[in-house]
Amino acid sequence: DAKTTQPPSMDCAEGRAANLPCNHSTISGNEYVYWYRQIHSQGPQYIIHGLKNNETNEMASLIITEDRKSSTLILPHATLRDTAVYYCIVRVGGVQGAQKLVFGQGTRLTINP
Amino acid sequence: GAVVSQHPSWVICKSGTSVKIECRSLDFQATTMFWYRQFPKQSLMLMATSNEGSKATYEQGVEKDKFLINHASLTLSTLTVTSAHPEDSSFYICSALRGPHTGELFFGEGSRLTVL
Repeated sequence: DAKTTQPPSMDCAEGRAANLPCNHSTISGNEYVYWYRQIHSQGPQYIIHGLKNNETNEMASLIITEDRKSSTLILPHATLRDTAVYYCIVRVGGVQGAQKLVFGQGTRLTINP
Repeated sequence: GAVVSQHPSWVICKSGTSVKIECRSLDFQATTMFWYRQFPKQSLMLMATSNEGSKATYEQGVEKDKFLINHASLTLSTLTVTSAHPEDSSFYICSALRGPHTGELFFGEGSRLTVL
């Protein structure tokens, strides 16, 4: 079973920041928080991951709470192409973590013009 | 970023035929690749783990004789759906693991199989 909880859907206006929450209250100390997204009829795309510090890359920012029980993915300036299903996944690193990847239902983010 | 390519991106076949789907890591070597299946409006389900030079490991409920996996090189894994039936129609996705320690996983574009 997926160990994360995400809202099933969200809407955001184009150009605004999209903030996608994820609860992972049972996360273990050696588990990372990964975010992927899947645009319709495509394979999932890696976005970002983190352990306990906030992370930022060219796509997004990841804010992890101090107790690590929840996190927020931030798309700073959402565009129509960001419309997708976003998956928050907790996993250990390495091959074991990759094999144990469990995709929940994710959040269907719709960016509106 | 790392690129994983699948071919074909879509295929239509008659019931009873076999279909091969290729998964290639284009700019890195992947000792481990994974195959997933995704039905409409559902999430990805792991089918099997493919290790270069050894037999694949299948998840519970996945028939190894029906879904043949070969990982002959560090950049190529193939999934063959044998004697395909309409219920095998699905979106098949592969992923490749870059580096055993970082666990970075990159996904192919997916292959949509329709069995008539």
